[in-house]
Amino acid sequence: NAGVTQTPKFRILKIGQSMTLQCAQDMNHNYMYWYRQDPGMGLKLIYYSVGAGITDKGEVPNGYNVSRSTTEDFPLRLELAAPSQTSVYFCASSSGGSETQYFGPGTRLLVL
Amino acid sequence: AQSVTQPDIHITVSEGASLELRCNYSYGATPYLFWYVQSPGQGLQLLLKYFSGDTLVQGIKGFEAEFKRSQSSFNLRKPSVHWSDAAEYFCAVGAIWGGSEKLVFGKGTKLTVNP
Repeated sequence: NAGVTQTPKFRILKIGQSMTLQCAQDMNHNYMYWYRQDPGMGLKLIYYSVGAGITDKGEVPNGYNVSRSTTEDFPLRLELAAPSQTSVYFCASSSGGSETQYFGPGTRLLVL
Repeated sequence: AQSVTQPDIHITVSEGASLELRCNYSYGATPYLFWYVQSPGQGLQLLLKYFSGDTLVQGIKGFEAEFKRSQSSFNLRKPSVHWSDAAEYFCAVGAIWGGSEKLVFGKGTKLTVNP
């Protein structure tokens, strides 16, 4: 039981490049989330999903896209990377909206 | 609107001393409350949670938290801090916003433990 896994651990992007951050969970959770964490700002919700085929925006969705074709996977897509997207990105999953969220180890992204 | 305030950005304590981290929330209904811990370079790990019932909640690693509805608080405590407790601590409230239930996180309190 691996829990929530994220790849890559670290990535450097040039401005305007695109990339996909991968997230997978093996707990059969319906709910999945993407957060970004910036120093002193806590966690900000980017997108979330309540089940396969269902996604919705969080607090800071601009510049990102998601898809949820399976229960297990919830990739986050950056289409045109900007320096403001330099951050640490965390994926999480839970069995319900107010239930305990289980977090992945994070992806550190640097956009130069 | 729902919100979580952690008034202390950074706290320093000596090893063996007691610890209290403050958390205040704003939410109209009965809240679900959580404390998470984040060690450097790691993801967040659940310490404890309050859903209902006994207002004093026990968690992992010797932590406890008390829900006080009258003060809208959910402070985290530990009687004797260990060096391995140095980390960042996040309080969160489960709330309905944007049409569904989600967690709202505070900005975190960084704990430094002096030997």
